[in-house]
Amino acid sequence: DAGVIQSPRHEVTEMGQEVTLRCKPISGHDYLFWYRQTMMRGLELLIYFNNNVPIDDSGMPEDRFSAKMPNASFSTLKIQPSEPRDSAVYFCASSLQTITGELFFGEGSRLTVL
Amino acid sequence: KQEVTQIPAALSVPEGENLVLNCSFTDSAIYNLQWFRQDPGKGLTSLLLIQSSQREQTSGRLNASLDKSSGRSTLYIAASQPGDSATYLCAVNGNTGNQFYFGTGTSLTVIP
Repeated sequence: DAGVIQSPRHEVTEMGQEVTLRCKPISGHDYLFWYRQTMMRGLELLIYFNNNVPIDDSGMPEDRFSAKMPNASFSTLKIQPSEPRDSAVYFCASSLQTITGELFFGEGSRLTVL
Repeated sequence: KQEVTQIPAALSVPEGENLVLNCSFTDSAIYNLQWFRQDPGKGLTSLLLIQSSQREQTSGRLNASLDKSSGRSTLYIAASQPGDSATYLCAVNGNTGNQFYFGTGTSLTVIP
C-alpha cells in the first residue's frame, strides 16, 4: 500500500485566498484524522471521520475551516479565507477499525500564508 | 484534559550509546500509547503501539515500556546510530476512545 497520500506538499498563498488540502487514506482504514502542527502548539487534532462521517470537529479553530470526506478514499480540508496565523504543517492520518488503533500519517502539507 | 510531557526536549549522544527517552502523562486512564519518529520535513512514522494491558513492546533495537499507574512510558534505543537522529513523539489515547494527545517530542542527535 502507498500509505496516506497528501497534496500539495507545499502551498504558499496570500492572506484572504482559499486553500484546499487533500488526503487519500490507506485503503480499508475506517478512520481519518486531520492534524495541524506548529512549533508553538505541537500537534493538534482538528477533525476526524469514521466511515466518511465527521465525528468530532471540536478542534477546528474557526468557521473559516471546513472538512469533507465524500468517499472512503478522499478527504479535503479547506480554509477560506486564509490568514497568516494558519501557517502550519497539516497532516492527515488514518487508522484501521478504531479510533484507538495505530495511526498512520501522511507526509503533510506545509502551508504558508503571506 | 490529558497533558503529555516529553523530557528532555533535545538530546545529543555519541554513536553506539544506549539511550532512554521519557514520556509522562497526567491521566493514567489511557487506552493505549504510541511512539512515533518524525524526520525533518516528513510525516510521523509509527514505531511502537502499547495497549493499556501491556507493559512493553519491542521492535528491533527499540523497546517501549508503559507504567500506567505512574503515568510514564520510556523508549529505549539500543546501540544508537546516526540514522536514529530524528524527533521522537509519544501520544496517548484515553479509555473513552477520545483523540490521541501528543507530546512535543524529543529531538535526538546521534553523533558519528
